[in-house]
Amino acid sequence: QKEVEQDPGPLSVPEGAIVSLNCTYSNSAFQYFMWYRQYSRKGPELLMYTYSSGNKEDGRFTAQVDKSSKYISLFIRDSQPSDSATYLCAMRGVQGAQKLVFGQGTRLTINP
Amino acid sequence: DVKVTQSSRYLVKRTGEKVFLECVQDMDHENMFWYRQDPGLGLRLIYFSYDVKMKEKGDIPEGYSVSREKKERFSLILESASTNQTSMYLCASSRDVIAEAFFGQGTRLTVV
Repeated sequence: QKEVEQDPGPLSVPEGAIVSLNCTYSNSAFQYFMWYRQYSRKGPELLMYTYSSGNKEDGRFTAQVDKSSKYISLFIRDSQPSDSATYLCAMRGVQGAQKLVFGQGTRLTINP
Repeated sequence: DVKVTQSSRYLVKRTGEKVFLECVQDMDHENMFWYRQDPGLGLRLIYFSYDVKMKEKGDIPEGYSVSREKKERFSLILESASTNQTSMYLCASSRDVIAEAFFGQGTRLTVV
């Protein structure tokens, strides 16, 4: 079983829709949770970074962490064609914090 | 802006060749990483370095070695390239072990 599971999609939604991207994980030691966005033929770039449980909002993006369920989510409101990309969840613990564990990535397309 | 630069975007090498992938960062970061990215598998850590001349194995170090002679430069070496090393290789750097990782554009390596 992989430490981090993420539905690879692909996911295709119309412009303006609310998008929900999710990851589950098995390692209860994970404390830092990240979402990266990767455009085609580019390296990943950090989108959201949260510590422990709770919500974090940044513009149209909201990251949620539920440590009791070992489940994290990224919500995109009013989705735009420019949001079309692969979204990768990533997480790490405190011990061995240099090891960032990634999900498989979800490929998202927003259709105009 | 942090810049992580990988020397090549695309490489084609023959089986058995020794291959060097170079990565340079310009933000004086302590930590540098090499990942490979494959469809359905996400990003997997090959090696990382937390200081000059220091290196640690990641999850899949077999068939690879690394060199960090200067703080800004981290090289990945494929001692004898094989077809199963055909992949996207991503270099990253971070200020410390819990800070965000900044990625380069990636090198798509094909071994024939």
